[in-house]
Amino acid sequence: AQSVTQLDSHVSVSEGTPVLLRCNYSSSYSPSLFWYVQHPNKGLQLLLKYTSAATLVKGINGFEAEFKKSETSFHLTKPSAHMSDAAEYFCVVSATSKSWGKLQFGAGTQVVVTP
Amino acid sequence: GAGVSQSPSNKVTEKGKDVELRCDPISGHTALYWYRQSLGQGLEFLIYFQGNSAPDKSGLPSDRFSAERTGGSVSTLTIQRTQQEDSAVYLCASSPESGAEAFFGQGTRLTVV
Repeated sequence: AQSVTQLDSHVSVSEGTPVLLRCNYSSSYSPSLFWYVQHPNKGLQLLLKYTSAATLVKGINGFEAEFKKSETSFHLTKPSAHMSDAAEYFCVVSATSKSWGKLQFGAGTQVVVTP
Repeated sequence: GAGVSQSPSNKVTEKGKDVELRCDPISGHTALYWYRQSLGQGLEFLIYFQGNSAPDKSGLPSDRFSAERTGGSVSTLTIQRTQQEDSAVYLCASSPESGAEAFFGQGTRLTVV
């Protein structure tokens, strides 16, 4: 079984300050982990993915995430928030076994960026 | 096409009518997912197809919902006797293999009146 928990439903940051979105997962298998972003009235876009290579993963738009197996975490960070980062962010886990490929979405974190 | 295509983009239907939502995945992708997103909510898993394996239907909310995937490609989600609580955006995604990242379509916005 697998599950994912996003620890914050809403995060508010000032433009130019760091962003931290927290995600914890559980998985019976070696997981693949993803972060997706959904801007208002837009589709879901992949930000970055972890698939058992480097534990620090860099994505688009200056985002990165670190896979920490000991903490079962995959937190998303960005050093300096931009107004265009206002969106909803989803952490996603998938086991890599061929019979357990279902993507499990977290509940989402709404990010608000203030000037 | 280059991406996942869903049709129609918008559908308004009367309560009690049946609707069919279509998904054309990226060519060659073996995995296909259907999710539902209600206003201001996260993604609710509905069903997952992987190759020729039996689909994972564990997320279908009632027996009014069904889905099929023909020839390992196009998928149709059918909702019978629609109810107002079925109103949502229905998202389809495909993936090149089990466990890989999924590519999402733009969704079908279903409104039941």
